[in-house]
Amino acid sequence: SAVISQKPSRDICQRGTSLTIQCQVDSQVTMMFWYRQQPGQSLTLIATANQGSEATYESGFVIDKFPISRPNLTFSTLTVSNMSPEDSSIYLCSGGGTGGYTFGSGTRLTVV
Amino acid sequence: DAKTTQPTSMDCAEGRAANLPCNHSTISGNEYVYWYRQIHSQGPQYIIHGLKNNETNEMASLIITEDRKSSTLILPHATLRDTAVYYCIVRVSSMDSNYQLIWGAGTKLIIKP
Repeated sequence: SAVISQKPSRDICQRGTSLTIQCQVDSQVTMMFWYRQQPGQSLTLIATANQGSEATYESGFVIDKFPISRPNLTFSTLTVSNMSPEDSSIYLCSGGGTGGYTFGSGTRLTVV
Repeated sequence: DAKTTQPTSMDCAEGRAANLPCNHSTISGNEYVYWYRQIHSQGPQYIIHGLKNNETNEMASLIITEDRKSSTLILPHATLRDTAVYYCIVRVSSMDSNYQLIWGAGTKLIIKP
């Protein structure tokens, strides 16, 4: 199965700034997803990253706040824009195909 | 909304089989059941998946009832390293939904010495 590298693994950011998280897969994958996970909670899907086109966002998430790029089948980025303390969370990248999905180890974001 | 329900938490003695139940009574005929686990501070790890037949791999066995309304994940010889949150997930089958995984709350499994 695919191996996913995600960086940074953690960051502390000032409110009002933006952070871009990178997700690199070691092989081409059909699907890539971005999730958010609050402490002690399950995963919430932010969006599906579509190769060469705009991402598909879930209810409650918008492109202006969470712009996503996916220039090819092995790489994607998620930007958390104009951050507030409410954006403090773990952000996870996932990739795979119809057989199953692999996850990165996550980015722990703290906004101060 | 999640399509699965699981116990909030379970204990199991080290060396014994851990049996984790999952209810998915509204599952559609072509939707798969996936199991992942998440050890503290790590990303979710794939365990096993199935459609209607029982499945076994090096990590676990998946038993799906004939009506597909529930399933059980079996860790045959639990170790302390199996302590984690276990998620039973239905994978939406349509391309329109991008084959999403619908996550529930999971079961916190604690393996005790």
